[in-house]
Amino acid sequence: DAGITQSPRHKVTETGTPVTLRCHQTENHRYMYWYRQDPGHGLRLIHYSYGVKDTDKGEVSDGYSVSRSKTEDFLLTLESATSSQTSVYFCAIRTSGATDTQYFGPGTRLTVL
Amino acid sequence: DAKTTQPTSMDCAEGRAANLPCNHSTISGNEYVYWYRQIHSQGPQYIIHGLKNNETNEMASLIITEDRKSSTLILPHATLRDTAVYYCIVRAPLNNAGNMLTFGGGTRLMVKP
Repeated sequence: DAGITQSPRHKVTETGTPVTLRCHQTENHRYMYWYRQDPGHGLRLIHYSYGVKDTDKGEVSDGYSVSRSKTEDFLLTLESATSSQTSVYFCAIRTSGATDTQYFGPGTRLTVL
Repeated sequence: DAKTTQPTSMDCAEGRAANLPCNHSTISGNEYVYWYRQIHSQGPQYIIHGLKNNETNEMASLIITEDRKSSTLILPHATLRDTAVYYCIVRAPLNNAGNMLTFGGGTRLMVKP
């Protein structure tokens, strides 16, 4: 599992409230990713990081921001949650090397009412 | 990335080998074949990858045809815990960290007692 944990694992919140999801890794990997998974859409990349303070947008970044102040932590923030952001969120790390092998965390199920 | 085609679903008897096919007829010379799986309510799990040669690890074997247009993932002794959706992904190694994995529909494998 590459030492990846996510917190919280489940969260219910109301529209308009800020939400922060945390991804923590213990193996010092440089690359970290946030995906969301929805029925009919598969996994979609929200944001990714290629080092401390180095982040960039993915396919579905609107409404999300991220921060990485330490190698081990990658935070995903919904500044003002909307019902369309109800989803399962997965964090992943990418191992170093030529091939693209990603390891995923257990996921956070977020419900926005 | 090359497009992949997988059967929608398959059944396998517990203890028997599960052979999951994947067609990737448009694969390019530098593209790898990756297999991931997702057990219900869990994060995707990396299984194995290969370029040209057959590969084996503690989880599975990957057989790639000589022309590289198709491959087969083999779970030698399927257990009930192997029930999952299996994804075949073909992609080239990229230097860009923002290389999200694109999961298609996958094959839903049901291992039956």
